[in-house]
Amino acid sequence: DSGVTQTPKHLITATGQRVTLRCSPRSGDLSVYWYQQSLDQGLQFLIQYYNGEERAKGNILERFSAQQFPDLHSELNLSSLELGDSALYFCASSPGEGNYGYTFGSGTRLTVV
Amino acid sequence: AQSVTQLDSHVSVSEGTPVLLRCNYSSSYSPSLFWYVQHPNKGLQLLLKYTSAATLVKGINGFEAEFKKSETSFHLTKPSAHMSDAAEYFCVVSVGAQGSSNTGKLIFGQGTTLQVKP
Repeated sequence: DSGVTQTPKHLITATGQRVTLRCSPRSGDLSVYWYQQSLDQGLQFLIQYYNGEERAKGNILERFSAQQFPDLHSELNLSSLELGDSALYFCASSPGEGNYGYTFGSGTRLTVV
Repeated sequence: AQSVTQLDSHVSVSEGTPVLLRCNYSSSYSPSLFWYVQHPNKGLQLLLKYTSAATLVKGINGFEAEFKKSETSFHLTKPSAHMSDAAEYFCVVSVGAQGSSNTGKLIFGQGTTLQVKP
């Protein structure tokens, strides 16, 4: 157990729907990161939050949004889902803003049908 | 801009023989480099990391990597492969300058699948 908790582990939904993925960072970590792993794009950085504020943004679609709450957990919202959004979504956390002490969760597998 | 290129998408070795997974990087600054491993249907596990200290980095499970600035390489090696090493391996670079405010964003290579034959 890495200490980073992602729920749910699996999610199957239909096109056009909206889902929320949840991440609880390791105790004491202030940064949360979201990554998407798909067959065609590989592992891609989506977004980083540090202590509730957006810190860095990657190739995140406008249909996707995220936030980090005061208790430091984070949610990734995916809307108007398309077949191509099917992927493994990883959350990671670290104590500070940088890459020291980076820890990944086990991921949420999203299948859009 | 930072980037990594993993030179082999698939590597096959026999159990007990050496492993070499190749990675070249591109970075405007002194990079932080990592190797991660992903076993089937599992998450990402850190094998080792280079952060400008010793150029030869030792990691878990007998893996090590050598940072070669002149060759912009960070190849992963292991003297003797074990069946349990079969997995996907990712070479990763961290975005941002050393010693500066680092976003912590990681850029992943496309991955190398390591097959270990009995």
